[in-house]
Amino acid sequence: QQQVKQSPQSLIVQKGGISIINCAYENTAFDYFPWYQQFPGKGPALLIAIRPDVSEKKEGRFTISFNKSAKQFSLHIMDSQPGDSATYFCAASTGPILTGGGNKLTFGTGTQLKVEL
Amino acid sequence: DADVTQTPRNRITKTGKRIMLECSQTKGHDRMYWYRQDPGLGLRLIYYSFDVKDINKGEISDGYSVSRQAQAKFSLSLESAIPNQTALYFCATRSDKPPYEQYFGPGTRLTVT
Repeated sequence: QQQVKQSPQSLIVQKGGISIINCAYENTAFDYFPWYQQFPGKGPALLIAIRPDVSEKKEGRFTISFNKSAKQFSLHIMDSQPGDSATYFCAASTGPILTGGGNKLTFGTGTQLKVEL
Repeated sequence: DADVTQTPRNRITKTGKRIMLECSQTKGHDRMYWYRQDPGLGLRLIYYSFDVKDINKGEISDGYSVSRQAQAKFSLSLESAIPNQTALYFCATRSDKPPYEQYFGPGTRLTVT
């Protein structure tokens, strides 16, 4: 059962363009939505995260857009650079506070981004 | 020095063998996790631990076991390895402070022949 659906599986963008990766979730109890970036041979690293009480969060060239009613969120990479070429994972959890479920992240299937010169 | 280390980084083993993957962290976090990554499937949670006395199964725990030897050490064992356990395995820790980031190790590439 795929609780977080991510698309596209792969993406090629020209340098300077906008990269957009989309995720949709089913569990309405999710209330923490991070994006992780993974370079080849490395573990994933937190890129940016959002809580559902805001519709958008921006950090530098990276923006998360969140639509609670549609149960969708997306990552936008503005002015994409070759150094952004990596695999991106969206994720969701029921929150960081220790409960019976704790902070268990459910990951999407990943998007392999390639930024070409 | 890396905050989360995993050993070995690569391992080839035969079907039926018992193997252990080790994880150590210097971040002082209580919460630790084991994931496996497969192409097209993302990362899936195998086991997680909130402290040395609290170990919980994740979504794909069958065929795996874990041991939390200390706050800093969390090991994953495959009791009798099978080929479909061939994957990339990641250990992670989690901060108790916002943004509650999970810190991943560099991964162990396991091949079961």
